[in-house]
Amino acid sequence: KAGVTQTPRYLIKTRGQQVTLSCSPISGHRSVSWYQQTPGQGLQFLFEYFSETQRNKGNFPGRFSGRQFSNSRSEMNVSTLELGDSALYLCASSLGDLRSYEQYFGPGTRLTVT
Amino acid sequence: AQTVTQSQPEMSVQEAETVTLSCTYDTSESDYYLFWYKQPPSRQMILVIRQEAYKQQNATENRFSVNFQKAAKSFSLKISDSQLGDAAMYFCAYRPGLGGTSYGKLTFGQGTILTVHP
Repeated sequence: KAGVTQTPRYLIKTRGQQVTLSCSPISGHRSVSWYQQTPGQGLQFLFEYFSETQRNKGNFPGRFSGRQFSNSRSEMNVSTLELGDSALYLCASSLGDLRSYEQYFGPGTRLTVT
Repeated sequence: AQTVTQSQPEMSVQEAETVTLSCTYDTSESDYYLFWYKQPPSRQMILVIRQEAYKQQNATENRFSVNFQKAAKSFSLKISDSQLGDAAMYFCAYRPGLGGTSYGKLTFGQGTILTVHP
């Protein structure tokens, strides 16, 4: 089975721009969670989507949004980028139900905001 | 809110020796899961081992084992016969059970950098 894939792997954007990151989960997985990793704040939960619905949300401003498609692929959007948004963005997939509680991570998207 | 604390920012071990990484957590929930993830320089987060809170038996995966002390809210990882490939950042993580308010959310500790000396 193919693992979790994320595109693009690297991105450089300018302050004020917006960006869209993509995540394709493991086949059969219906839950996708997004995390931001920075040296200062560590790993922080952004949100989780399950069956096209946002099931959980972390403490991030409204500039951070996401969605999930019927094939379980997920996108994350950050509008009006700030320098502090520079981070590694990780997505993780899981079955999302009682059968499995494990999350499997993708390789991440490294976003640099200049 | 749940919190996860890893009190050892860095640890080192000689190849073939044993090392233990510490993790404590705080929660008011009774149903939850605990994990150890490994993040090598490639940044790919790899699941090392998992523990269900309702199981008293400590989980074991080959050279990796945990010491789960539910009353003390402690969840340490023991790596036996350490190998050079074990060098990485290790994260302890907590996830509520299905009835929890944040079921799909992993809460991570700050991480422990493990160095393995040949």
